[in-house]
Amino acid sequence: AQSVSQHNHHVILSEAASLELGCNYSYGGTVNLFWYVQYPGQHLQLLLKYFSGDPLVKGIKGFEAEFIKSKFSFNLRKPSVQWSDTAEYFCAVNVMDSNYQLIWGAGTKLIIKP
Amino acid sequence: DAGVTQSPTHLIKTRGQQVTLRCSPKSGHDTVSWYQQALGQGPQFIFQYYEEEERQRGNFPDRFSGHQFPNYSSELNVNALLLGDSALYLCASSLDRGFTDTQYFGPGTRLTVL
Repeated sequence: AQSVSQHNHHVILSEAASLELGCNYSYGGTVNLFWYVQYPGQHLQLLLKYFSGDPLVKGIKGFEAEFIKSKFSFNLRKPSVQWSDTAEYFCAVNVMDSNYQLIWGAGTKLIIKP
Repeated sequence: DAGVTQSPTHLIKTRGQQVTLRCSPKSGHDTVSWYQQALGQGPQFIFQYYEEEERQRGNFPDRFSGHQFPNYSSELNVNALLLGDSALYLCASSLDRGFTDTQYFGPGTRLTVL
């Protein structure tokens, strides 16, 4: 069965540190890739998405992610985090086969120390 | 413009009972997806409704059923509740039958089964 793995369940960083959150999926076919974020007390919202084309995609609030097909990865990055980036981050994969659905990782809780 | 709304906010049921959760999509959205999010995990896709029909379904038993009304609002029904059904149930709406369009999430309904 297809699955999505997020390597770190909890990450603690200081402000201005660089961020990279890992996401790997297990499916060899065509996929669409997403990162969603849930800020404290808010609803899940889309951070960025990749369907095709340039494997480096940019999202809101300075986030970017790189799709590396050979590694089945879609890691999220930000060069300098802010306290307001404290949130839970979810990677999701849309498997484009006959039974396509959206498969989610377990999430990474990011805490930024001021 | 109201976003996605869900009711009720919280619900407590006992094993064997039935429950109905409701979702009103964002204005103009015709596609509604339902997710189950257990504590500490990512959302799991239950099913998606478009044009009043179930279009895609995740790996959930037939105890989970739904409905979409002509005004695009939707219900999720769960029969014969089990302790393991305790979770946050999320509704998301979009303009796309599938997952390519941005999904907008509601606040969720917290279901506790005793």
